[in-house]
Amino acid sequence: AIQMTQSPSSLSASVGDRVTITCRASQGIRNDLGWYQQKPGKAPKLLIYAASSLQSGVPSKFSGSGSGTDFTLTISSLQPEDFATYYCLQDFSYPLTFGGGTKVEIK
Amino acid sequence: QVQLQESGPGLVKPSETLSLTCAVSGDSISGSYWWSWVRQPPGQGLEWIGEIFHSGSTNYNPSLKSRVTISVDKSKNLFSLKLNSVAAADTAVYFCASTSVEMTARGGALDIWGQGTMVTVSS
Repeated sequence: AIQMTQSPSSLSASVGDRVTITCRASQGIRNDLGWYQQKPGKAPKLLIYAASSLQSGVPSKFSGSGSGTDFTLTISSLQPEDFATYYCLQDFSYPLTFGGGTKVEIK
Repeated sequence: QVQLQESGPGLVKPSETLSLTCAVSGDSISGSYWWSWVRQPPGQGLEWIGEIFHSGSTNYNPSLKSRVTISVDKSKNLFSLKLNSVAAADTAVYFCASTSVEMTARGGALDIWGQGTMVTVSS
């Protein structure tokens, strides 16, 4: 199975900060990567698919980049509603595998 | 827009079978979707369990494959998860999710999720 390594596992940031989360695949996965936001007690929500495509209805402050093994999720200006845990998911090959998650907390 | 709703027992005894269903509304279970199960142990990350297409084609996580069955009930417009020989490590929130064929073609996955249901394995 492809291993997805996310970093950092947690970060503290202030409202208005630019935040970057990375995900590294154990082998090349083209651009078959999605990013999800999960708030406590809720289901994950798809933000980005195909590494850089913004899911319908998701604010443009979220952006994704990367291809092959290294990927990045950027939140351009952190807002209170963005404090959550973020996961990457590779859908290049079975089994689908998630990164370990990045918890974004208020500084 | 597809909507998903999980249901099933919240408590299962060790060595027994965990059975959950996911009711689909807003479209037919026979539509162009892959229907998935994902789980999340308390305080931990997400694990993909497997998926099914309405034709019966399935893909399972090898880590669970020997204990998992995912099936579709077209008459009730739902799909199901069975996980046998459960242990405490199977305690988790179980989510059903879907990926439209259109989303797959665009390179995405798991774009629609149910709210999740907590299952505790304990005697």
